[in-house]
Amino acid sequence: KAGVTQTPRYLIKTRGQQVTLSCSPISGHRSVSWYQQTPGQGLQFLFEYFSETQRNKGNFPGRFSGRQFSNSRSEMNVSTLELGDSALYLCASSTGTGVASYEQYFGPGTRLTVT
Amino acid sequence: KQEVTQIPAALSVPEGENLVLNCSFTDSAIYNLQWFRQDPGKGLTSLLLIQSSQREQTSGRLNASLDKSSGRSTLYIAASQPGDSATYLCAVVITNTPLVFGKGTRLSVIA
Repeated sequence: KAGVTQTPRYLIKTRGQQVTLSCSPISGHRSVSWYQQTPGQGLQFLFEYFSETQRNKGNFPGRFSGRQFSNSRSEMNVSTLELGDSALYLCASSTGTGVASYEQYFGPGTRLTVT
Repeated sequence: KQEVTQIPAALSVPEGENLVLNCSFTDSAIYNLQWFRQDPGKGLTSLLLIQSSQREQTSGRLNASLDKSSGRSTLYIAASQPGDSATYLCAVVITNTPLVFGKGTRLSVIA
């Protein structure tokens, strides 16, 4: 069974640009969550989607947005990039019914560098 | 607000040693607790999931215990190997909330 896949794996962007990251969950998983990981703050929750609906949202500015498609694939978008957005963005999928109640499986992450 | 603390932040041991990593959380009303491993620059690999009704879970050389009443979990690694070198993270879930992570313990196993 294929794991969680994230594309692209690495990305370099300039301040002010926008970026879209993609996540394909494990087949049959309907819940997708996104996390930001930085050396200073550790892992912080961004949002969670289930059946194309956002079920939870973390404490991030509105520049961070996401969506989920009918095939459970998810994208997150960051507009007007800032230097502080440089981080490893991780996606996780689970079979959960919209709450993070089941085992989470993480992808390899997208390393975003903002210059 | 749920807070998760992992002690120590870093640990270096010689190969073959048995070791214990600690995780504590402030709100004991958790739904489950999950231990992960992260290699440098990589994603997280799930090691063990303990439901709130369970006291421990085992997988190979790994054993995780959970004591909800005291807000603690431990990850025991038997006969450590250099390949075990990584950062180990614990994360807890309260129903209807996302994972809350500790900052991790960076483990180095010296051959």
